[in-house]
Amino acid sequence: QKEVEQDPGPLSVPEGAIVSLNCTYSNSAFQYFMWYRQYSRKGPELLMYTYSSGNKEDGRFTAQVDKSSKYISLFIRDSQPSDSATYLCAMMKGNNRLAFGKGNQVVVIP
Amino acid sequence: GAVVSQHPSWVICKSGTSVKIECRSLDFQATTMFWYRQFPKQSLMLMATSNEGSKATYEQGVEKDKFLINHASLTLSTLTVTSAHPEDSSFYICSAPRGQGADTQYFGPGTRLTVL
Repeated sequence: QKEVEQDPGPLSVPEGAIVSLNCTYSNSAFQYFMWYRQYSRKGPELLMYTYSSGNKEDGRFTAQVDKSSKYISLFIRDSQPSDSATYLCAMMKGNNRLAFGKGNQVVVIP
Repeated sequence: GAVVSQHPSWVICKSGTSVKIECRSLDFQATTMFWYRQFPKQSLMLMATSNEGSKATYEQGVEKDKFLINHASLTLSTLTVTSAHPEDSSFYICSAPRGQGADTQYFGPGTRLTVL
């Protein structure tokens, strides 16, 4: 079993819809839970991170962590065409080594 | 903010040749840097941890003699793909942490390697 699982299926939504992405993990030692956004042929950029169970909001983005279920989610409200990108979940144990999910390619249709 | 650069941004080479990719931290020092490989529509897979002044630590399944890593200074790590083959064609990305924590990792823009 991989440490981080993210169903890599593409996702197309109309502009204004809510985008919902999620990952599961198996290693209880993970301390930090992150979401990265990656545009084509670019390095990933950090969107949000959290280290405790619960919700964290930043503008239109909400990151959710449920440590008891080993499940994390990212919600994008009022999605915009500029949100079209690949979204990767990532987790870290505190030694700066990241384990990434496979990523979801999101397309927001105007 | 902190910036990590990579050079070159893309490279095409013939099978059997070696290719060197540089990763630089531009405004901070990094005793550790990380090298990732990303195949099309796949995740970033950690290849190795580059340690300044000592040997790199490779992930299981990564050939250390094929992917040579040198971290000669606190701002520069290099990855050399030796005797490259078409299956080595991929997107190589480095990252450098500036401290500890989830928001301290800075990624380079990546290098696209195509081996003919």
